[in-house]
Amino acid sequence: DAKTTQPTSMDCAEGRAANLPCNHSTISGNEYVYWYRQIHSQGPQYIIHGLKNNETNEMASLIITEDRKSSTLILPHATLRDTAVYYCIVLYNFNKFYFGSGTKLNVKP
Amino acid sequence: GAVVSQHPSRVICKSGTSVKIECRSLDFQATTMFWYRQFPKKSLMLMATSNEGSKATYEQGVEKDKFLINHASLTLSTLTVTSAHPEDSSFYICSAGTGRYGYTFGSGTRLTVV
Repeated sequence: DAKTTQPTSMDCAEGRAANLPCNHSTISGNEYVYWYRQIHSQGPQYIIHGLKNNETNEMASLIITEDRKSSTLILPHATLRDTAVYYCIVLYNFNKFYFGSGTKLNVKP
Repeated sequence: GAVVSQHPSRVICKSGTSVKIECRSLDFQATTMFWYRQFPKKSLMLMATSNEGSKATYEQGVEKDKFLINHASLTLSTLTVTSAHPEDSSFYICSAGTGRYGYTFGSGTRLTVV
């Protein structure tokens, strides 16, 4: 299964874009990249997912490199409520979700 | 959108007793659900896959006799922590989904064993 590597923590100023990187160098051709976030003491919340193309929804944008070995989640205008742990996950075998350590995003006023 | 309801949100039990946690998919059917465990400041650890109408499959190192999983219908999976001890205190989270289109997670259950 493809594993992911993310920075332990990142800071972002409120109102600025938050760019969260993820490395998944062993990803295979049919594996999707998913992003979730977890606010303290809550269940993870779905943000976005993609296979090859860049994706955008009301919450965020997902940029996947052409070789698919890395991706970046972009929160265009971070707010204090975006402070959370962000998880990048590669969906293995269309079945199980294994979580890595994630990135703690601290949005500061 | 898809909603997964988890109950109870918090439970305190005495050491040696058993506790049941419910996970329901409210507006969709889930043939497969997943149970996770999370310790403070740690990531989620997959415990087991709950399969409707059949036995659950457990991840390596998870005691199946300690954590009993029942998935009796397409909308309900239960996790029973048997003979609970203080080291079983944790945050338990379930999820359900449609495979490649992602998964919805419950809000979690905080178990404290005293």
